[in-house]
Amino acid sequence: DQQVKQNSPSLSVQEGRISILNCDYTNSMFDYFLWYKKYPAEGPTFLISISSIKDKNEDGRFTVFLNKSAKHLSLHIVPSQPGDSAVYFCAASAGLGNTPLVFGKGTRLSVIA
Amino acid sequence: EAQVTQNPRYLITVTGKKLTVTCSQNMNHEYMSWYRQDPGLGLRQIYYSMNVEVTDKGDVPEGYKVSRKEKRNFPLILESPSPNQTSLYFCASGLRDRNSPLHFGNGTRLTVT
Repeated sequence: DQQVKQNSPSLSVQEGRISILNCDYTNSMFDYFLWYKKYPAEGPTFLISISSIKDKNEDGRFTVFLNKSAKHLSLHIVPSQPGDSAVYFCAASAGLGNTPLVFGKGTRLSVIA
Repeated sequence: EAQVTQNPRYLITVTGKKLTVTCSQNMNHEYMSWYRQDPGLGLRQIYYSMNVEVTDKGDVPEGYKVSRKEKRNFPLILESPSPNQTSLYFCASGLRDRNSPLHFGNGTRLTVT
């Protein structure tokens, strides 16, 4: 059973517009969420995170929104740039000590100039 | 430079021939982990280690072994590789604080024929 779901395998957005990447989770014990970005031939790199005590976290062009009642989070990138083209992974962890991260399948974002 | 180093980057081998993929980190991280990435399946955890001499199974441990004799190294061992282990492998490290982002290596692409 997939606990972290990214239902859109790919997304295409024009440069300068907003990119919205979505993530749903099923485990109500998850209380910390992260987004990682991955370029081809490189490992994933940490982008932004959010704790369940918040509903929004912002870092420059990147904002993550958390809706706990819907078990849904989203990553907004504004404005989108061609260099943002990558695969984005949503990840979650539960408040059970050092429980490892559970990753989604990823969404490939293409930002078109 | 803080980094996670995996070797080799590419490896082609035959069924049944034992191999080891090395992973080393220079950030004094307690936590290390191995993931495999497959099309449509995202990142799945193979094994992880909370500290020296402490290892645990992840979601897909079958066919793999690990060891953690030193803090900086976490090799992944395939005693008898099979074609279904053809994949892209990532090593990651982080602090034991589960809210601390993981640092990933650049990946090892393994092909088993």
